[in-house]
Amino acid sequence: KAGVTQTPRYLIKTRGQQVTLSCSPISGHRSVSWYQQTPGQGLQFLFEYFSETQRNKGNFPGRFSGRQFSNSRSEMNVSTLELGDSALYLCASSADGTRNPNEQFFGPGTRLTVL
Amino acid sequence: AQSVSQHNHHVILSEAASLELGCNYSYGGTVNLFWYVQYPGQHLQLLLKYFSGDPLVKGIKGFEAEFIKSKFSFNLRKPSVQWSDTAEYFCAVNAKTSYDKVIFGPGTSLSVIP
Repeated sequence: KAGVTQTPRYLIKTRGQQVTLSCSPISGHRSVSWYQQTPGQGLQFLFEYFSETQRNKGNFPGRFSGRQFSNSRSEMNVSTLELGDSALYLCASSADGTRNPNEQFFGPGTRLTVL
Repeated sequence: AQSVSQHNHHVILSEAASLELGCNYSYGGTVNLFWYVQYPGQHLQLLLKYFSGDPLVKGIKGFEAEFIKSKFSFNLRKPSVQWSDTAEYFCAVNAKTSYDKVIFGPGTSLSVIP
């Protein structure tokens, strides 16, 4: 089975621009979560999608948004980029996202640099 | 709100030393607990997990962790570390009532000196 894939792997943007990151989960997985990883804040939960619906959301401003498609692929969008948005953005997928125990499988991340 | 704390930000050990990384969480309900590892330049990957049953769980690469419910702790241990264990270690908690929202601790950076 192919793992979680994220594109692009690296991205450089300037302040004020917007960016879209993509995540393809493991085949058959319907839950996709997004995290921001920075040296100062560690791993912070952004949001989670299951069957095209956002089920959970972390404490990030509205500039951060996402969506999930019918094939479970997910995109994350950040508008009006700020320098502080520079981070590694990780996507993780899990099988069915029910209350039964599930582990998450992480992708390699997209390294976003905002200049 | 749930939170996870890890006792040490950075740990330095010599090879063959024993390792214990502390993890405490705050949540009053039933939880799933995880330890993830991120080797330099690699993906986050699962080391071990606790869902239910025996509170002493064994993971990959000789790691184990013990869930002590009364202390809200899930400490990671390894009797003898190797240079290849140099990595960032993250404790994580998932409350059983909140689907797949996983809260991560700040991480502990482990450096093993040959």
